[in-house]
Amino acid sequence: ETGVTQTPRHLVMGMTNKKSLKCEQHLGHNAMYWYKQSAKKPLELMFVYNFKEQTENNSVPSRFSPECPNSSHLFLHLHTLQPEDSALYLCASSQVVASGGGEQFFGPGTRLTVL
Amino acid sequence: DQQVKQNSPSLSVQEGRISILNCDYTNSMFDYFLWYKKYPAEGPTFLISISSIKDKNEDGRFTVFLNKSAKHLSLHIVPSQPGDSAVYFCAASGGGTSYGKLTFGQGTILTVHP
Repeated sequence: ETGVTQTPRHLVMGMTNKKSLKCEQHLGHNAMYWYKQSAKKPLELMFVYNFKEQTENNSVPSRFSPECPNSSHLFLHLHTLQPEDSALYLCASSQVVASGGGEQFFGPGTRLTVL
Repeated sequence: DQQVKQNSPSLSVQEGRISILNCDYTNSMFDYFLWYKKYPAEGPTFLISISSIKDKNEDGRFTVFLNKSAKHLSLHIVPSQPGDSAVYFCAASGGGTSYGKLTFGQGTILTVHP
């Protein structure tokens, strides 16, 4: 595997289900990100992890719970979601940069539908 | 409050002509700007970037221009090819300890007709 991979690619879940999204990067990066892309909206940053430590939580509801066990893996645990949470969830990675700069490499995303 | 805006939702261009995609930003602390391209069912792919200390960066058919006083950047694609048809996002970062946090525009759908 190369680059950034995400599983599953598609997920349909009910509002009472618990599921997890997985992201893995094979680039040797030490920063990982979760983004949400809703229809006709810009990509919204959700969480940032640098060297496994969460450095950014962009006011995300607690029904989304990230986990970063190491610099290569990132999870997003989902529980009691709402239909408006249906979106494309994208994972990205990059080298840690002090400020600005640095391109991020994205995975293909997980298309989530909440019924 | 959207800090990065792409005011044109779509752009249609003939093959071989120039494509110009525009992006405006409001946060004067941004010091690094990027363009990403996204095909359906794929994640965004990095295209080109520019630091605020420059006003132009060129990479093959792609050139990004930055006008700091106007808080405006643009991506020029010359010549445009049908394979360039995709959604283009501009993104910005900066402002101290942002650790590479990117703020994205809403995207412009580019269609290049043969």
